[in-house]
Amino acid sequence: GEDVEQSLFLSVREGDSSVINCTYTDSSSTYLYWYKQEPGAGLQLLTYIFSNMDMKQDQRLTVLLNKKDKHLSLRIADTQTGDSAIYFCAERPGGYQKVTFGTGTKLQVIP
Amino acid sequence: GAGVSQTPSNKVTEKGKYVELRCDPISGHTALYWYRQSLGQGPEFLIYFQGTGAADDSGLPNDRFFAVRPEGSVSTLKIQRTERGDSAVYLCASSFTSTGELFFGEGSRLTVL
Repeated sequence: GEDVEQSLFLSVREGDSSVINCTYTDSSSTYLYWYKQEPGAGLQLLTYIFSNMDMKQDQRLTVLLNKKDKHLSLRIADTQTGDSAIYFCAERPGGYQKVTFGTGTKLQVIP
Repeated sequence: GAGVSQTPSNKVTEKGKYVELRCDPISGHTALYWYRQSLGQGPEFLIYFQGTGAADDSGLPNDRFFAVRPEGSVSTLKIQRTERGDSAVYLCASSFTSTGELFFGEGSRLTVL
């Protein structure tokens, strides 16, 4: 079955880089996603990576995928106080629509 | 509206009562999902619709939970004989793209006293 794990908490200083890590178990995962949830709000897709890619960059965001180790990371460059939120990793197996989410990593940005 | 709309935003009920939660997806989105999020946890999959049919209901915890989408648009999640353990935020999401991006509503917070 699917299982997605993340560390619970990360604290960084404003202007530093943040790296949020995720491990997943389903080797057939086709798409891997990062969602952001701000307090009292729904989840919002930040970025995604297709399983045949190793890296994807989108402005301040860099996603790295290690398929061998089933490890996904999200790097946020020049972290701002507005980046404080909970970040969820999620996976979707190929040919299947069910998306499984991790437990979320709470990012605290210290001014 | 442009986004996924969920009503009510908050629902307080007593143990044993019946509850309905409504989701109005983004127009044209054929896929609709229900998730449940407990405090400090990630969203837990409940059910997924493709059009009017439930393509995967493997996440529904027991037969007290049921969901419908009769016309392939609005969906209702129905919970019978509510229990305190049902208290959570119920999230609805819709999707259209092949990449599977989910567009979430703000959720319905259910509190069972």
